[in-house]
Amino acid sequence: EPEVTQTPSHQVTQMGQEVILRCVPISNHLYFYWYRQILGQKVEFLVSFYNNEISEKSEIFDDQFSVERPDGSNFTLKIRSTKLEDSAMYFCASSAGGQGNSPLHFGNGTRLTVT
Amino acid sequence: AQSVTQLGSHVSVSEGALVLLRCNYSSSVPPYLFWYVQYPNQGLQLLLKYTSAATLVKGINGFEAEFKKSETSFHLTKPSAHMSDAAEYFCAVTRMGSQGNLIFGKGTKLSVKP
Repeated sequence: EPEVTQTPSHQVTQMGQEVILRCVPISNHLYFYWYRQILGQKVEFLVSFYNNEISEKSEIFDDQFSVERPDGSNFTLKIRSTKLEDSAMYFCASSAGGQGNSPLHFGNGTRLTVT
Repeated sequence: AQSVTQLGSHVSVSEGALVLLRCNYSSSVPPYLFWYVQYPNQGLQLLLKYTSAATLVKGINGFEAEFKKSETSFHLTKPSAHMSDAAEYFCAVTRMGSQGNLIFGKGTKLSVKP
């Protein structure tokens, strides 16, 4: 069964550094998402992306964050200058449709640790 | 505002016993509801979804959930627990007017005792 793949599985970075988290969505999916889960807290929506532009973003997704689909297969999340509070598990997801009932398919996540 | 509440952060059952994981939602419109499961060191896997076609929804691995509008609930059940069901389970609702913007509950960690 096709799956969403994320790399790396674990990223350690120093505060103030830039990080790029990478994702390969399911190949025939058109809608892409990033979520995060801070340890002990809920899974939270960050951003959705369709047709090469952001379709929705949460208040968490400030100017330090950006997303890109640099080619036909990858979907990336960049954090420009990491803060300690950015430490979390980041999940990429994709869906075939954009309706509210279209299920999201999640990757295994990238654990980001900011020191 | 929409929200999802999962009662019980930890649930422990014996192998072969009934599994009941509770989820209540708040939404002013008919919701789209989902249950996801997360096994250790893995991502979120869809168990089942409610999209108004039927109130009793069957999912993978023998799980099912019943949508009860009067109780604003979408509890997850399985008649007989297996050791392999040990995982964390998340209930989620699609944010109104949105696509792919899910509001998750805090999750319930299920332990299965031999």
